[in-house]
Amino acid sequence: DTAVSQTPKYLVTQMGNDKSIKCEQNLGHDTMYWYKQDSKKFLKIMFSYNNKELIINETVPNRFSPKSPDKAHLNLHINSLELGDSAVYFCASSPSTGGLREQYFGPGTRLTVT
Amino acid sequence: GESVGLHLPTLSVQEGDNSIINCAYSNSASDYFIWYKQESGKGPQFIIDIRSNMDKRQGQRVTVLLNKTVKHLSLQIAATQPGDSAVYFCAETRATFGDGTTLTVKP
Repeated sequence: DTAVSQTPKYLVTQMGNDKSIKCEQNLGHDTMYWYKQDSKKFLKIMFSYNNKELIINETVPNRFSPKSPDKAHLNLHINSLELGDSAVYFCASSPSTGGLREQYFGPGTRLTVT
Repeated sequence: GESVGLHLPTLSVQEGDNSIINCAYSNSASDYFIWYKQESGKGPQFIIDIRSNMDKRQGQRVTVLLNKTVKHLSLQIAATQPGDSAVYFCAETRATFGDGTTLTVKP
């Protein structure tokens, strides 16, 4: 009965590769997010989608492209991976837009770029 | 730019003591605040929230205080237990997170 799930949990890849992380929520929420957490535990919002529409797009390299096929899924595709992309990526969902309600986070995907 | 910050990156307390974790914010328009707990290897988990029309809100062993005058909020944990050891984040309206305070509870 996982509320927010992410796959894979661990991802090790080489510089220059393209990879995707998938996220699904079964909470019926309208809004989904992607966050990046660095080694110092700082959580930075990357994107937010509401009903498949992009509503927050922070300053993120355009190598990162979110895709929302439906409101229960928000995938993150990363092109031309760089060493600095190594981090833990969290997907989250909330019942409404703009972060005005609590968010439910997935377990995270630890990306290591070598 | 707008920011949310925590006062101390680490806090160590004895089991049974009360813990206070502080957070400052810069956006006067922020009208909603959330505290999250993140255990090692897991995603952040909602603890308690508060809207700007309130000064205080209580949950089970936790209390959040909001001082809009100085743009400060705090999370108080009563009778801290080893299971409370985690990183604690405050977050505000635009899903902006503070830096996190690592709470360590010594038995």
